[in-house]
Amino acid sequence: NAGVTQTPKFQVLKTGQSMTLQCAQDMNHEYMSWYRQDPGMGLRLIHYSVGAGITDQGEVPNGYNVSRSTTEDFPLRLLSAAPSQTSVYFCASSRDRGVDGYTFGSGTRLTVV
Amino acid sequence: AQSVTQPDIHITVSEGASLELRCNYSYGATPYLFWYVQSPGQGLQLLLKYFSGDTLVQGIKGFEAEFKRSQSSFNLRKPSVHWSDAAEYFCAVGDILTGGGNKLTFGTGTQLKVEL
Repeated sequence: NAGVTQTPKFQVLKTGQSMTLQCAQDMNHEYMSWYRQDPGMGLRLIHYSVGAGITDQGEVPNGYNVSRSTTEDFPLRLLSAAPSQTSVYFCASSRDRGVDGYTFGSGTRLTVV
Repeated sequence: AQSVTQPDIHITVSEGASLELRCNYSYGATPYLFWYVQSPGQGLQLLLKYFSGDTLVQGIKGFEAEFKRSQSSFNLRKPSVHWSDAAEYFCAVGDILTGGGNKLTFGTGTQLKVEL
């Protein structure tokens, strides 16, 4: 089925470890974004991309890196995990500047201990 | 900077009753506005969107929303709620300066409970 696929679904990290959250979409969407969701705070934009090779920072980029080497994939890297990065992470994609709305993945629940 | 306020954290309605979820936004120009729904353990699903034209927009699952520029509001409504509508609802505004829907700012969400 077409959509946005995120892996893993669950992850526990120790403080200081690094990891990559994977995101892939098969809809040929140019626009992709990473959000984190925390209780009582809604979703906050981490990084976004408007096409392969082009990325930019969102509202809460510190501690995260992204790259976009292909249209399909948009991985999110945690450089040195901290407890404050415990959250649910959502990847989303859209065509046409996002004006038709975003398609969201099912999320990755990350716990940093 | 753009912002979104959803003043109701939790709302409980009886099945069959009408529903209105409030959303107020702050944005300097005509905004791109969205409502999303999130079921437990799931990602977000787009209910409806507005960026121009008729201020009353229809969405999926029988939902509608009305854009009121004078009140900076984009309230979500449904005439008769079903038990399956229990979920969390998010209002979002898009940044037109960067292309419209690319940098979404979300409200904090309203948790809807439906009593049978």
